Amino acid sequence: ELKVEQNPLFLSMQEGKNYTIYCNYSTTSDRLYWYRQDPGKSLESLFVLLSNGAVKQEGRLMASLDTKARLSTLHITAAVHDLSATYFCAVDLRGNYGQNFVFGPGTRLSVLP
Amino acid sequence: EAGVAQSPRYKIIEKRQSVAFWCNPISGHATLYWYQQILGQGPKLLIQFQNNGVVDDSQLPKDRFSAERLKGVDSTLKIQPAKLEDSAVYLCASSGGTPHGPDTQYFGPGTRLTVL
Repeated sequence: ELKVEQNPLFLSMQEGKNYTIYCNYSTTSDRLYWYRQDPGKSLESLFVLLSNGAVKQEGRLMASLDTKARLSTLHITAAVHDLSATYFCAVDLRGNYGQNFVFGPGTRLSVLP
Repeated sequence: EAGVAQSPRYKIIEKRQSVAFWCNPISGHATLYWYQQILGQGPKLLIQFQNNGVVDDSQLPKDRFSAERLKGVDSTLKIQPAKLEDSAVYLCASSGGTPHGPDTQYFGPGTRLTVL
């Protein structure tokens, strides 16, 4: 059974600081997705990583994928309060019938002034 | 472009009652998903439709949950009878393109179910 782990589960950081969220998974996959969820809201797509070594950047967020290590990272540069949210990674198992997302437990990020 | 629509947004019922949720995916999206998100956890896939056919319902508790997508567009998810542990947010998502493609899944706002 696929396990998707995220570290840390909770992260409190000051504005202006850098930090990295890690997503580890236990089986082979070369497709990984990052989503953001604000309290009481739905999931918003951030990044789609489709191959080993893929790197995507948007604003203060940068995501990467190492399929050999079964690891994805979400790096936050110079955090601002607006980045406070829960971040989920989702691994696509790509079953017989198409996409099969397994989500991690989420990392709850609080950016303090 | 309109997003994924869901209703109701909130529902409170007593255990053993029935409840139904509705989802309208993004226009033209052939694939529709229902997820269950328990507080503090990531979403868990319940069922996946390709057009009006079920392609994966392996994690759907079929003794109490059912879902349909009769015309290949909107979908309903039903719980009958509800249990306390069904309290969660039920998310609908849709994606376009080919079933095995790397398409992003777009999520609706969810229905928050509380079972008392």
